[in-house]
Amino acid sequence: DAGVIQSPRHEVTEMGQEVTLRCKPISGHDYLFWYRQTMMRGLELLIYFNNNVPIDDSGMPEDRFSAKMPNASFSTLKIQPSEPRDSAVYFCASSAGLAGRYEQFFGPGTRLTVL
Amino acid sequence: QQQVKQSPQSLIVQKGGIPIINCAYENTAFDYFPWYQQFPGKGPALLIAIRPDVSEKKEGRFTISFNKSAKQFSLHIMDSQPGDSATYFCAASLIFGNEKLTFGTGTRLTIIP
Repeated sequence: DAGVIQSPRHEVTEMGQEVTLRCKPISGHDYLFWYRQTMMRGLELLIYFNNNVPIDDSGMPEDRFSAKMPNASFSTLKIQPSEPRDSAVYFCASSAGLAGRYEQFFGPGTRLTVL
Repeated sequence: QQQVKQSPQSLIVQKGGIPIINCAYENTAFDYFPWYQQFPGKGPALLIAIRPDVSEKKEGRFTISFNKSAKQFSLHIMDSQPGDSATYFCAASLIFGNEKLTFGTGTRLTIIP
């Protein structure tokens, strides 16, 4: 398997623009997680899905952030409008089951810079 | 209750030394404690994990020590090498009924030749 695939790898945009990050989880995995990593706050869980259904979005910072998982092989994280403080590395991860029993596999991340 | 506190924030060790990274938790319901390793430009990857029914687990040069009464666990790297230079995250979760991991803030480890 190719592992978790994220695109784009780098995104530079201007404040106010819409940004869409994409993720393809490992085939057969039924959990998908979106994380944000910054120097100040470390690795934060934004939202996760089970069988394409959002389970916990308590980590989503504001209404400007939204995530969807239309099918088992694709998810998006959208920021609209983007702000400079959204600059971070965004990771998608997937797992075959509960965190306490199954490893989470992370993608390579998308480095977002909002000017 | 859901926090995992990690220290130190950064660590520099000479090759061959034994870096030690510490984590502490409050929630006594946590019962699965993995460590993730992250190289620059990559996503974190599972390194080693422990459950609280044992006090120590070794995998190669990596050892987790677990102290259930103190609610602390630590990562030791034996015979450290420059290739071990990375950011290390501890984490915790419930073994049942909770799908997510709570991560520590990370330790940037540098092994100098």
